[in-house]
Amino acid sequence: DGGITQSPKYLFRKEGQNVTLSCEQNLNHDAMYWYRQDPGQGLRLIYYSQIVNDFQKGDIAEGYSVSREKKESFPLTVTSAQKNPTAFYLCASSFDRESGELFFGEGSRLTVL
Amino acid sequence: AQSVTQPDIHITVSEGASLELRCNYSYGATPYLFWYVQSPGQGLQLLLKYFSGDTLVQGIKGFEAEFKRSQSSFNLRKPSVHWSDAAEYFCAVGVRSGGSYIPTFGRGTSLIVHP
Repeated sequence: DGGITQSPKYLFRKEGQNVTLSCEQNLNHDAMYWYRQDPGQGLRLIYYSQIVNDFQKGDIAEGYSVSREKKESFPLTVTSAQKNPTAFYLCASSFDRESGELFFGEGSRLTVL
Repeated sequence: AQSVTQPDIHITVSEGASLELRCNYSYGATPYLFWYVQSPGQGLQLLLKYFSGDTLVQGIKGFEAEFKRSQSSFNLRKPSVHWSDAAEYFCAVGVRSGGSYIPTFGRGTSLIVHP
């Protein structure tokens, strides 16, 4: 079945450590996105990539980094510079860049102790 | 700046009652509009979308939404709510950025269904 796989589903880390969240899709979509979700704040865009080897900052990119070396993969690194990293992270992809219709993974919950 | 407003943080309805979730947007051009649903601890699933044409759009699970340009609204409706509809609902607008549209989301409305 085609879809988006995020791993791990739950992750605990100590303050000051970098962590990398995985996002893989087999939908052959060109565009991929990372969102952060906090209670009562909806989804906020961290980074997005419209094509391999290219990506753009979203609204809250500070303290995060990404890479897009392969079409199917878009990992997100939460660095120690992110001041409040505990959150639910959602990866999405889009087959239609002209509309913004998204397909989502099941999310990764990061807790920093 | 473009924005999406969902004025209701929580909505409580009885099973079998009708439902309307409100969404207003601020955007200079004709937008692409979406409603997504999220079950606890899960990703989002598309319920329906509006690109152009008929302003009343039908979606999955018996939902519909109506685009009203004059009110900058895209409210979600369902005539009879089921207990399984309890979830978080997000309205989103496709905002043009460079050569593509980037989705901007509202803060969500949590639907509680009483038996």
